[in-house]
Amino acid sequence: DSGVTQTPKHLITATGQRVTLRCSPRSGDLSVYWYQQSLDQGLQFLIQYYNGEERAKGNILERFSAQQFPDLHSELNLSSLELGDSALYFCASSEGIGGAERDSHYEQYFGPGTRLTVT
Amino acid sequence: EDKVVQSPLSLVVHEGDTVTLNCSYEVTNFRSLLWYKQEKKAPTFLFMLTSSGIEKKSGRLSSILDKKELFSILNITATQTGDSAVYLCAVEVEVNTGNQFYFGTGTSLTVIP
Repeated sequence: DSGVTQTPKHLITATGQRVTLRCSPRSGDLSVYWYQQSLDQGLQFLIQYYNGEERAKGNILERFSAQQFPDLHSELNLSSLELGDSALYFCASSEGIGGAERDSHYEQYFGPGTRLTVT
Repeated sequence: EDKVVQSPLSLVVHEGDTVTLNCSYEVTNFRSLLWYKQEKKAPTFLFMLTSSGIEKKSGRLSSILDKKELFSILNITATQTGDSAVYLCAVEVEVNTGNQFYFGTGTSLTVIP
């Protein structure tokens, strides 16, 4: 158990709908990352937040958005869902943000994931 | 474009064998390279290799980083059935205000009793 929690574990919804995935980082971790893992694409970085601020953006679609709240939990919102959005969505957290402190490196710890099925 | 390539894609070995998994990368603003083990659930952290730590060892697992040739290897000696998993390599890069992690597609290892 990494200490990162994600809810829900499974989500089944229809095309065109909107869903919200939730992540609580490990205690003390300020940085949260979101990833999408599908069979054909592997693990793809979506977005990073640090202490409430967006810090890095990867291959995140415009239909997707995220935020990190003052209590450091994060939510990933997926709207206008398409069949191709079916995937495992992981959240990961780390203590700090290495880019801001050159000699510091922080490991990421992954949550159990949310499996999204769009029908 | 930043990329991380792992090889082989899959590997089947017998218990007791030694395996070597490869990861090559081509990124800008490299910060670190990480190895994860994924067994049908969340990836679990194995090693982080940085400029100041290019060789790591933990039990039967070891890893090295060659920053000049831009690759890393993960060695597993005396393999056990419990080592069966997908092994992921990830490279951390620094971006303007944060950091990103690029993952390879993984090497699927199957250890046969």
